[in-house]
Amino acid sequence: KNQVEQSPQSLIILEGKNCTLQCNYTVSPFSNLRWYKQDTGRGPVSLTIMTFSENTKSNGRYTATLDADTKQSSLHITASQLSDSASYICVVGQWDSGYNKLIFGAGTRLAVHP
Amino acid sequence: NAGVTQTPKFQVLKTGQSMTLQCAQDMNHEYMSWYRQDPGMGLRLIHYSVGAGITDQGEVPNGYNVSRSTTEDFPLRLLSAAPSQTSVYFCASSYRTGGTDTQYFGPGTRLTVL
Repeated sequence: KNQVEQSPQSLIILEGKNCTLQCNYTVSPFSNLRWYKQDTGRGPVSLTIMTFSENTKSNGRYTATLDADTKQSSLHITASQLSDSASYICVVGQWDSGYNKLIFGAGTRLAVHP
Repeated sequence: NAGVTQTPKFQVLKTGQSMTLQCAQDMNHEYMSWYRQDPGMGLRLIHYSVGAGITDQGEVPNGYNVSRSTTEDFPLRLLSAAPSQTSVYFCASSYRTGGTDTQYFGPGTRLTVL
């Protein structure tokens, strides 16, 4: 069964600290992996998208890594800010009849405290 | 550009009532989709469309209908609302670039069925 699992479920860090969120997936076939940020009461917003041939992608203070062999990904947040408080969702895509179907993880809820 | 817009933002229905959730995008994207988000779970695909006049079922299509008469609009109809359909609904649009696509999500509709 196609699944995306994220850890931890929730995380509290102090402003200015770094953190790393984990994602394991069992989706096959696999075409791409993306990380989204979802603020409370809002829709998800894309942070990074990686195809199977890429192993790292950065977007400002966000850096995603991908190991397609072990089917693991991580999202590293550097020098956290209060505005980083949100849910971070790992999503795996697979092309099916011309459409990129996305399988979503349940997310990691990050709280950044001053 | 307004991006992806959804109406209404909140809705309360009684069991058995029907309604339509509206979704529109002004980015001329070929793909549109509907997801539901339930507590502790990842977003799940309800229906999707790869172009005007073309729709297909996702992971959880039962109890929902869609149509795509124009590129811009992709309404989701609840035929006979049930408490199990209490959820937050997100519409998304996307375009394909190379081996992947970029999805843009609307702000969501929070639906409660009593």
